[in-house]
Amino acid sequence: TQLLEQSPQFLSIQEGENLTVYCNSSSVFSSLQWYRQEPGEGPVLLVTVVTGGEVKKLKRLTFQFGDARKDSSLHITAAQPGDTGLYLCAGGETQGGKLIFGQGTELSVKP
Amino acid sequence: DSGVTQTPKHLITATGQRVTLRCSPRSGDLSVYWYQQSLDQGLQFLIQYYNGEERAKGNILERFSAQQFPDLHSELNLSSLELGDSALYFCASSVDAGMGNEQFFGPGTRLTVL
Repeated sequence: TQLLEQSPQFLSIQEGENLTVYCNSSSVFSSLQWYRQEPGEGPVLLVTVVTGGEVKKLKRLTFQFGDARKDSSLHITAAQPGDTGLYLCAGGETQGGKLIFGQGTELSVKP
Repeated sequence: DSGVTQTPKHLITATGQRVTLRCSPRSGDLSVYWYQQSLDQGLQFLIQYYNGEERAKGNILERFSAQQFPDLHSELNLSSLELGDSALYFCASSVDAGMGNEQFFGPGTRLTVL
């Protein structure tokens, strides 16, 4: 069974600080997707990385896929209150389309 | 707006009852996925359909079933409901069924079993 360990579970920081969220597994994934979810709403896709070592940037967010395609990180620079939410990583199975989700990181950015 | 629609938004029912959740995928997407999200379990994959055929199954209970219709909308049927079935149920869709496909999620149905 493929599992994704996401850390930290909770993160409370001040506006302007930097942070990194990690997603780790002992399994290889075909892709790694990052989502952001607001309370009571569906996850919104932020980015998909598919190549080992790949780095993608989305404004102040930087996503990296590990060389071995077993881990990923999300780095946010100069966090803003609008970044507050639940961040989820999801690994794509190597034998199909289903996603394995991490437990999520609850981020709170205080002004 | 992801383009995936789900109805109803909220559902309150009693134990032992049966409910049907409905999902319409994004235009052009052939694959539909159902996920359950609870506080203690996180987001768990239930089942996937591709162009009307069941493609993959997760930890879906025997009391739950799903289907995808010729117009590609999907329904998730939950029967003999128990208190523990209370959760958010999400539908997602993707262009096809292969690995690496980006999945787009609907707004979810919040099911409360009393």
